[in-house]
Amino acid sequence: DAKTTQPTSMDCAEGRAANLPCNHSTISGNEYVYWYRQIHSQGPQYIIHGLKNNETNEMASLIITEDRKSSTLILPHATLRDTAVYYCIVRVGGSARQLTFGSGTQLTVLP
Amino acid sequence: EPEVTQTPSHQVTQMGQEVILHCVPISNHLYFYWYRQILGQKVEFLVSFYNNEISEKSEIFDDQFSVERPDGSNFTLKIRSTKLEDSAMYFCANSPPGVTNEQFFGPGTRLTVL
Repeated sequence: DAKTTQPTSMDCAEGRAANLPCNHSTISGNEYVYWYRQIHSQGPQYIIHGLKNNETNEMASLIITEDRKSSTLILPHATLRDTAVYYCIVRVGGSARQLTFGSGTQLTVLP
Repeated sequence: EPEVTQTPSHQVTQMGQEVILHCVPISNHLYFYWYRQILGQKVEFLVSFYNNEISEKSEIFDDQFSVERPDGSNFTLKIRSTKLEDSAMYFCANSPPGVTNEQFFGPGTRLTVL
């Protein structure tokens, strides 16, 4: 699975968009980009995933660059409850494959 | 929305004792996983399970660990002889059939080995 690089921490004002970047310059053609988050002491929570195209769901949007070497998770209107560690994980889809969690980005939403 | 449930939420045991952690996955999911997170550290993969057998396991998942689906719904992790370093949060996860295989996690069981 390709390695990812994320900033250690970020702050965002409540109500503003939170843009969380992830670099995955060694991603291969069959690898997906997954985003999870972990609110303190809780289980990781699936947010969104994508292969090449931008994706949007009720939680967030995922923007993947055309060369697929980086992506950005966007929380359009951050709330205090979005304070969490956000993990960008690149992995081949299919089968019962493990997720490899890095250190992620600690997002703090400020009132 | 269906959720993964785990019991107990907190388990305290003495070193050398056996523990069994329980998970009830989302009903139509076919792939099952256990992860653990030692306090202050990263989430680590232990094992994945599909079609009643182990698909992948990490170096952590040694002979003291085992998994099973005893009744076709529950998914259990057994630690035969607990050590102090097994103290951690243990998360069950599962994923539906399909290519993208996104995983849905339970709330975890906090295991404390004394």
